Amino acid sequence: DSGVTQTPKHLITATGQRVTLRCSPRSGDLSVYWYQQSLDQGLQFLIQYYNGEERAKGNILERFSAQQFPDLHSELNLSSLELGDSALYFCASSAGPGQANYGYTFGSGTRLTVV
Amino acid sequence: GEDVEQSLFLSVREGDSSVINCTYTDSSSTYLYWYKQEPGAGLQLLTYIFSNMDMKQDQRLTVLLNKKDKHLSLRIADTQTGDSAIYFCAEGSGSARQLTFGSGTQLTVLP
Repeated sequence: DSGVTQTPKHLITATGQRVTLRCSPRSGDLSVYWYQQSLDQGLQFLIQYYNGEERAKGNILERFSAQQFPDLHSELNLSSLELGDSALYFCASSAGPGQANYGYTFGSGTRLTVV
Repeated sequence: GEDVEQSLFLSVREGDSSVINCTYTDSSSTYLYWYKQEPGAGLQLLTYIFSNMDMKQDQRLTVLLNKKDKHLSLRIADTQTGDSAIYFCAEGSGSARQLTFGSGTQLTVLP
């Protein structure tokens, strides 16, 4: 157990729907990162939050949004889902706001299947 | 932008050494990492090296860094079947707020 908790582990939904993925960071970590892992794109950085505020944005689609709550858990919202959004979505956490000096701690991921 | 490249596949015999290679483009990379991903699991940090180091050894793992060529390698000694996984190289710099990952190398250990 890495200490980063992601729910649900698996999600199957239809095109056009909206889903919410949840992440609880490791105790004491203030930063949360979301990554998408697909076969053709590899691991793509989506977005980072630090202590409730958006810190950095990567290749995140406009249909996707995220937030980090006062208790530091984060949610990634995916809407108007398309078949191509099927992927593994990982959350990672780190202690600080910027430098990933000692790497991130990853959760086990949420596997999203859009049918 | 930053780019990290790895070969996609590597097969070795159990007991042999494995060497997984990675190249990166960002000359300001300060920290370089190796992660391991087993089937159905998240990424597990194996080891990291600072850019002012040439080598780091941790039990069966040896990381070599050639900063001039922007080349990083991970050597696994006495490779076991339990080492079969995808290995990701990643880089981060002092100014970056997130890590950039390579595409991963699928290591298959044959009995």
